Amino acid sequence: GNSVTQMEGPVTLSEEAFLTINCTYTATGYPSLFWYVQYPGEGLQLLLKATKADDKGSNKGFEATYRKETTSFHLEKGSVQVSDSAVYFCALPPSGGSYIPTFGRGTSLIVHP
Amino acid sequence: DAGITQSPRYKITETGRQVTLMCHQTWSHSYMFWYRQDLGHGLRLIYYSAAADITDKGEVPDGYVVSRSKTENFPLTLESATRSQTSVYFCASSDRAGANYGYTFGSGTRLTVV
Repeated sequence: GNSVTQMEGPVTLSEEAFLTINCTYTATGYPSLFWYVQYPGEGLQLLLKATKADDKGSNKGFEATYRKETTSFHLEKGSVQVSDSAVYFCALPPSGGSYIPTFGRGTSLIVHP
Repeated sequence: DAGITQSPRYKITETGRQVTLMCHQTWSHSYMFWYRQDLGHGLRLIYYSAAADITDKGEVPDGYVVSRSKTENFPLTLESATRSQTSVYFCASSDRAGANYGYTFGSGTRLTVV
């Protein structure tokens, strides 16, 4: 079945630093890939997605490129802000006859001023 | 307001009591899900539903009951609350199994069982 592996956190950065959160996946075929963000005290919300190989999803300064050769979908941002402090989840949609998505364990990002 | 609404936002209950967490969505999404989120465990699926009157167990269903008599509502009931059920509970919904459209989550219910 599908699986998602994310780097463990917390990731602690200073404001304006470069961010990378690694995500690799195992799946049949070439599914869409998603990143979700969970701000403190809130539910998850879709941050960005890519629907096919070599696609780049982007939103709020974050980017992730669908790399089928390395089965990866790493999240990057060139200059993080304190307001980016949150938990980030990489996710796969359902596959086969299932309708259950697969979420990574989440990576906590803490940005200091 | 359009969206997915969970209630209550916070709940404290005693061990052994029955408690129901509500989830309401306004998009008529077919698919709905209940997750719990605990430190060190990520999101764990409790129950899910593909349509009204169709529900199924997820990864951690013991001690929980769901119903879905209407498409827009998916309540989660803890029949006899235990301290191990202290957690943050999230409801989510999706159309077309989320393959291209992703999932929409509620703001969560923080439940404390004392």
